[in-house]
Amino acid sequence: QKEVEQNSGPLSVPEGAIASLNCTYSDRGSQSFFWYRQYSGKSPELIMSIYSNGDKEDGRFTAQLNKASQYVSLLIRDSQPSDSATYLCAVNLRGNRDDKIIFGKGTRLHILP
Amino acid sequence: DARVTQTPRHKVTEMGQEVTMRCQPILGHNTVFWYRQTMMQGLELLAYFRNRAPLDDSGMPKDRFSAEMPDATLATLKIQPSEPRDSAVYFCASGFGGNYGYTFGSGTRLTVV
Repeated sequence: QKEVEQNSGPLSVPEGAIASLNCTYSDRGSQSFFWYRQYSGKSPELIMSIYSNGDKEDGRFTAQLNKASQYVSLLIRDSQPSDSATYLCAVNLRGNRDDKIIFGKGTRLHILP
Repeated sequence: DARVTQTPRHKVTEMGQEVTMRCQPILGHNTVFWYRQTMMQGLELLAYFRNRAPLDDSGMPKDRFSAEMPDATLATLKIQPSEPRDSAVYFCASGFGGNYGYTFGSGTRLTVV
């Protein structure tokens, strides 16, 4: 069973601090990785994608990928109350029959004003 | 803004009734996913299509669920007969595949009583 694991949280971070969200995956053949943000009662929204080892930065967000350790993380700098949401890690299991995107259960992030 | 359109937004039905959910993917997107989200299980992959061809529906209960894509502008998910345990939010997502992420629709909140 191919899995994506995340700590469910809640993760509480003071406003202005760095929030660090982690994700591990079981399938070594996974090719690309995504972070989605989901506000309560809303649909998931793509915020970052990464497919090469190392860091990828986009504004206040940095995604980090380590394929050897099967580990993906998301850093949010200068956290704002509007960042309070559930963050979903998604993995593309590139199999014989093309993409298959599976999700972790998400980490609830709470930014403390 | 291009968006994925799902109908209906909410559906309450009695156990045993047929339910059909519809999804209009973003024009030009060639990959469509159906997910189900519950508090306990998170986002579960039900089925997905590439260029309207079904690639994987192993996540669906085959005896009661069916997914089709009659044309490039419409994907459907049908449950017959519905059961209370089918109560969830059903999301459709579309995209180009590969290392690109996917855009989610607003979801259909299904309640089976």
